[in-house]
Amino acid sequence: DAGITQSPRHKVTETGTPVTLRCHQTENHRYMYWYRQDPGHGLRLIHYSYGVKDTDKGEVSDGYSVSRSKTEDFLLTLESATSSQTSVYFCAISDPGRYTSNTGELFFGEGSRLTVL
Amino acid sequence: AQSVTQLGSHVSVSEGALVLLRCNYSSSVPPYLFWYVQYPNQGLQLLLKYTSAATLVKGINGFEAEFKKSETSFHLTKPSAHMSDAAEYFCAVSVANQAGTALIFGKGTTLSVSS
Repeated sequence: DAGITQSPRHKVTETGTPVTLRCHQTENHRYMYWYRQDPGHGLRLIHYSYGVKDTDKGEVSDGYSVSRSKTEDFLLTLESATSSQTSVYFCAISDPGRYTSNTGELFFGEGSRLTVL
Repeated sequence: AQSVTQLGSHVSVSEGALVLLRCNYSSSVPPYLFWYVQYPNQGLQLLLKYTSAATLVKGINGFEAEFKKSETSFHLTKPSAHMSDAAEYFCAVSVANQAGTALIFGKGTTLSVSS
């Protein structure tokens, strides 16, 4: 158990409303990631973080912002949700402390299913 | 740029048959490669990984994969399918960025197992 909790697990919202998804980890890991999963697209990286207040864009960052004010929390915000952002969102962490080198292995949360009507 | 291609979005096998899920990668540097499995309504779980040690990698649940540099492949196999193997499988390659590394995923292969 990598100690990752995502909330909410399910959310239905309307187009144009703001939405924030939270990823909480209990193991003090430095690196955190947000992916979205869509049929036929696999998982695509939205944003990632390499420390408190250190974030950068991934492959599909348009329409999303992130914040990391504490090591344990990585927030993903949709400022104005659109139907194209209906997806399952996964948070992930790497290097859970059992390895001495960062091979890129990720540990995933259970996902947050977002529906934008 | 690194990428992976999974050949076949759906694979169907009978229980007890060989499972073969195909993955080809593109990378300008020696890659780290991964296979993940996702059961319905769950997150992703690591099956196995290649990190430049042995080219034949054994994972959980009887799965294994062989890294073949000459073919740029990392195919996943299991000698005998079980009903519980029905899931979606993702191949991934590690890429370097400011976060140390991140994973680039293939589009996934859904494995169906019939009795």
